[in-house]
Amino acid sequence: ETGVTQTPRHLVMGMTNKKSLKCEQHLGHNAMYWYKQSAKKPLELMFVYSLEERVENNSVPSRFSPECPNSSHLFLHLHTLQPEDSALYLCASSTQGGGGEQFFGPGTRLTVL
Amino acid sequence: GQNIDQPTEMTATEGAIVQINCTYQTSGFNGLFWYQQHAGEAPTFLSYNVLDGLEEKGRFSSFLSRSKGYSYLLLKELQMKDSASYLCAARRSNDYKLSFGAGTTVTVRA
Repeated sequence: ETGVTQTPRHLVMGMTNKKSLKCEQHLGHNAMYWYKQSAKKPLELMFVYSLEERVENNSVPSRFSPECPNSSHLFLHLHTLQPEDSALYLCASSTQGGGGEQFFGPGTRLTVL
Repeated sequence: GQNIDQPTEMTATEGAIVQINCTYQTSGFNGLFWYQQHAGEAPTFLSYNVLDGLEEKGRFSSFLSRSKGYSYLLLKELQMKDSASYLCAARRSNDYKLSFGAGTTVTVRA
């Protein structure tokens, strides 16, 4: 248990569905991250929020929409996804500025049919 | 730019030693992380090297050479529970980003 939780742990959705992934951290951190992890590929940074403001958007398609309502919660809203978006989506948090280690959640295994 | 390379797979026997190498080409480099990730679980922090040299932490040690753009993770007295993926990640100065390698899957056999 790293202090970062993610729900759901598994999600299967069709290409026309809309769903949301949720991340919550209980560590008092103020930076949060979304990563995509595909098989045999490096973790890809998608979004970074610091103090609830988005500070990084790594050329992610608009069908992925992040939301950070407060420093403890992070969402990833999904709509009209493609089968190639199937992957493990990991949330992480750290102290502001990313100077320390990042603590990861267990991830959501997403399958797009 | 970022380029992180590590071997894809390694196999070793229980009780043995395994060394996982990682090379990086990172502009503004400011530290090297190692994470362990068991299948279906979150990556968990193992070590962080900023200065050259060896950092020892129990059965695990991590080494960094900034001039060579090189790090390794040394796992000693291997146990079955050490079977996992090991991720190397480089951090840039004044940046939130960690650039990850693809991970090295270590299989420990009895």
